[in-house]
Amino acid sequence: DTAVSQTPKYLVTQMGNDKSIKCEQNLGHDTMYWYKQDSKKFLKIMFSYNNKELIINETVPNRFSPKSPDKAHLNLHINSLELGDSAVYFCASSQVGNRDTQYFGPGTRLTVL
Amino acid sequence: AQSVTQLDSQVPVFEEAPVELRCNYSSSVSVYLFWYVQYPNQGLQLLLKYLSGSTLVKGINGFEAEFNKSQTSFHLRKPSVHISDTAEYFCAVRASYNTDKLIFGTGTRLQVFP
Repeated sequence: DTAVSQTPKYLVTQMGNDKSIKCEQNLGHDTMYWYKQDSKKFLKIMFSYNNKELIINETVPNRFSPKSPDKAHLNLHINSLELGDSAVYFCASSQVGNRDTQYFGPGTRLTVL
Repeated sequence: AQSVTQLDSQVPVFEEAPVELRCNYSSSVSVYLFWYVQYPNQGLQLLLKYLSGSTLVKGINGFEAEFNKSQTSFHLRKPSVHISDTAEYFCAVRASYNTDKLIFGTGTRLQVFP
C-alpha cells in the first residue's frame, strides 16, 4: 500500500543514453516534485507540478524533462545522460492546505557509466 | 534567498544518551523550518515543522526542536536515543511566501551505538 512509489529502484546505463523514471502517488495529492540527491547527500529540488502544471523549474539542464500525464503521476525523462547525472532521484507529493508536509518516494539510484 | 547549514556531518552517540543536531539558517524574509529523517534506503519522512506559534515544536518519535529567531537556529533534540534512530537527518527551510520550494541542508548522520 505504498503512498509514493518510483520505478525503477536502480538504473545503470551508459553515457549518452535516454532514460525515464516513473513516479506514482496514491494519496490523492495535487502537487508532485522531483528532487536530486548527489553523492554528498545534498538534496535539491528540480521541478514541481500542481494539477499537471509546471510550478517550479530550477536551473536544471533541458535534457531533463518532467511529464505529468495526470495528477497521480510525474515522470522524469533524461536525454543524453552524462556522468554528472549519477545521483538518487526522489519523487515527492503534497496536498493543498498541507503543502509543508511532503511525502517522499523511496528513490531511484541512477548510475551513469 | 535562503540557505541552511548543518554544522555536524556525523554525530555518534550511545543508546539512551541525549542528542542535539544543529541547524542554522539564513534568510532575508520570514521562514518556515523543517526536520526530515531518512532511514537507510528509504525516502525522507517529516519529523516536525515550525510554521508559527510556540517556538518549541514536538515531532514524531520523541524528537523536538526549538526555533530561535535571534540565533537563526532550529536545533533538533531527543532526550534518549534508540538504535532505531540511526539515520540521516535533514534540516530544511522555505520562505513563508513561497508555498513549495524547500531548501535542504547537507544532512547529519546520526549513528547510535549499543
